[in-house]
Amino acid sequence: QQQVKQSPQSLIVQKGGIPIINCAYENTAFDYFPWYQQFPGKGPALLIAIRPDVSEKKEGRFTISFNKSAKQFSLHIMDSQPGDSATYFCAASMSDYKLSFGAGTTVTVRA
Amino acid sequence: KAGVTQTPRYLIKTRGQQVTLSCSPISGHRSVSWYQQTPGQGLQFLFEYFSETQRNKGNFPGRFSGRQFSNSRSEMNVSTLELGDSALYLCASSPEPQGAGGYTFGSGTRLTVV
Repeated sequence: QQQVKQSPQSLIVQKGGIPIINCAYENTAFDYFPWYQQFPGKGPALLIAIRPDVSEKKEGRFTISFNKSAKQFSLHIMDSQPGDSATYFCAASMSDYKLSFGAGTTVTVRA
Repeated sequence: KAGVTQTPRYLIKTRGQQVTLSCSPISGHRSVSWYQQTPGQGLQFLFEYFSETQRNKGNFPGRFSGRQFSNSRSEMNVSTLELGDSALYLCASSPEPQGAGGYTFGSGTRLTVV
């Protein structure tokens, strides 16, 4: 049973576009929500993370929006570049420290 | 600063055999977690170690085991390999569990069971 539901499975945008990836969770005990980026042949790399007391966080061109009441959070990639083409995973964890990952979204940014 | 190092990068084993995978965390990191990544099941948590103690375990059969040494290096072992164990096994380290810096993943060990 997937504790974090991620959509869409894949998306294609033009350079400069804003891909948006959405995640939803049920367990209100989750208190840490990271996003990871993975390139082929590599392990996931932490992009940005948020805690539920914050509604938005920006790091460079990456923004997380968090809606605690709806139990949803999303990743926006501003001014996307071909180098951003990768698989993105949302995740959530609580005090037991294990990360529950979404299924992943493959983002393709066309030049 | 060296990243998380996993060895070997690739491994081919036969059903019924056992395998040991190794992970060297970033220097100073005391928390090591293991994950299995497959196309069908995605990323699934195996176990987490902190200061040589297993703190948490995922929903995997007892054939999957791990340990952590005093220098924080970790190994995981899979006994009686099955075809379904073919996967990318990822190790992640953190200064402390769920630290502010998050977990840093290695590039993984690609295990193929034939």
